[in-house]
Amino acid sequence: KQEVTQIPAALSVPEGENLVLNCSFTDSAIYNLQWFRQDPGKGLTSLLLIQSSQREQTSGRLNASLDKSSGRSTLYIAASQPGDSATYLCAVGHGGFKTIFGAGTRLFVKA
Amino acid sequence: DAGITQSPRYKITETGRQVTLMCHQTWSHSYMFWYRQDLGHGLRLIYYSAAADITDKGEVPDGYVVSRSKTENFPLTLESATRSQTSVYFCATGGEVGTEAFFGQGTRLTVV
Repeated sequence: KQEVTQIPAALSVPEGENLVLNCSFTDSAIYNLQWFRQDPGKGLTSLLLIQSSQREQTSGRLNASLDKSSGRSTLYIAASQPGDSATYLCAVGHGGFKTIFGAGTRLFVKA
Repeated sequence: DAGITQSPRYKITETGRQVTLMCHQTWSHSYMFWYRQDLGHGLRLIYYSAAADITDKGEVPDGYVVSRSKTENFPLTLESATRSQTSVYFCATGGEVGTEAFFGQGTRLTVV
């Protein structure tokens, strides 16, 4: 059974700091991995989608990497801003749309 | 162009009542999903649909019914609501297997 773990559960950093959020999964037979952002009381916003054949994806200050063999993905946020404060979720996609979500990392960026 | 819309945003109902949560998309995406989000469990898939009239169970389908007579709508019905179904429900869409998923704003359901 696939298990997705996100570490740390919560993170507080000063504005301007570069940071890394971690996601690990136990079954490497995945279709893709997606990183989402969730603001309090809101839905999920897709940040980056990495297909199983890819190693990384970049969007602005965000860079996500995928290492299937080790069951790991990282989300790198450069020059963090208070507006980046949110919960970040990773989701692993399997065949048949069995998408497994991690519990998330709550990020707080202090001004 | 709202993309994906859920209604209602908030609902309080009593145990044993039937409740229907609505989900509407404007993209004509093939796939639609229902998730529930609970503290300690994260997001779990309830049901999904690959096309109109095609639905399948996810991880936690018990107590829920879905239908998809039209591509753009995917309602979720709780046939007889229980307190354990108190949760935040998210609808999502996707084009094809392996493509990006888009989520609605969620429906916060409280069963008393």
